[in-house]
Amino acid sequence: QIQLVQSGPELKKPGESVKISCKASGYTFTDYAMNWVKQAPGNGLKWMGWINTQTGKPTYADDFKQRFVFSLETSASTAYLQINNLNIEDTATYFCTKGTAYWGQGTLVTVSS
Amino acid sequence: ETVMTQSPTSMSTSIGERVTLNCKASQSVGINVDWYQQTPGQSPKLLIYGASNRHTGVPDRFTGSGFGRDFTLTISNVEAEDLAVYYCLQYGSIPWTFGGGTKLELK
Repeated sequence: QIQLVQSGPELKKPGESVKISCKASGYTFTDYAMNWVKQAPGNGLKWMGWINTQTGKPTYADDFKQRFVFSLETSASTAYLQINNLNIEDTATYFCTKGTAYWGQGTLVTVSS
Repeated sequence: ETVMTQSPTSMSTSIGERVTLNCKASQSVGINVDWYQQTPGQSPKLLIYGASNRHTGVPDRFTGSGFGRDFTLTISNVEAEDLAVYYCLQYGSIPWTFGGGTKLELK
């Protein structure tokens, strides 16, 4: 069955970087784009953008064009989200999604001094 | 960007009742709308795709409808497990945008 398994929770300080992984199984990784979604504590969902898993080309929503990097390790069927120069407002759960139907379990990133 | 406005933001219901949740798009999105259910600590679960198609394994008490700008999710015979936050998502234009959510609570 299709599964997206994300890496575990992270605790970071402001100014640091974090890299979250999303390992896909149960389908051909390069057949479908991977999306990323942010959910701040107690808040709704915000689409961050997507990465073309065939070409590696990322597309970022406007609020995520600075400091955010989508990447792939195709041989490992894994997508990555890196956030640079973290600030308090980056504290959130980040989800990877295959299309709109399949979601990872989420990775909580906490940014605190 | 297409703004998705959900109403109400919260609603109280009793077990066995029928409820209707609304989602209005700021511009036409065709049928490119999904509905999700999210319970605390869980990832969103797809209920309805393409405005009116039930995802695999979703009970038939969940019904989606709409086209263009106005969409609804109806839950018939609400069960205790349905108490959650519901989100609509439009993917008809970039950026994809979610509604702010409707929290379904017990009366």
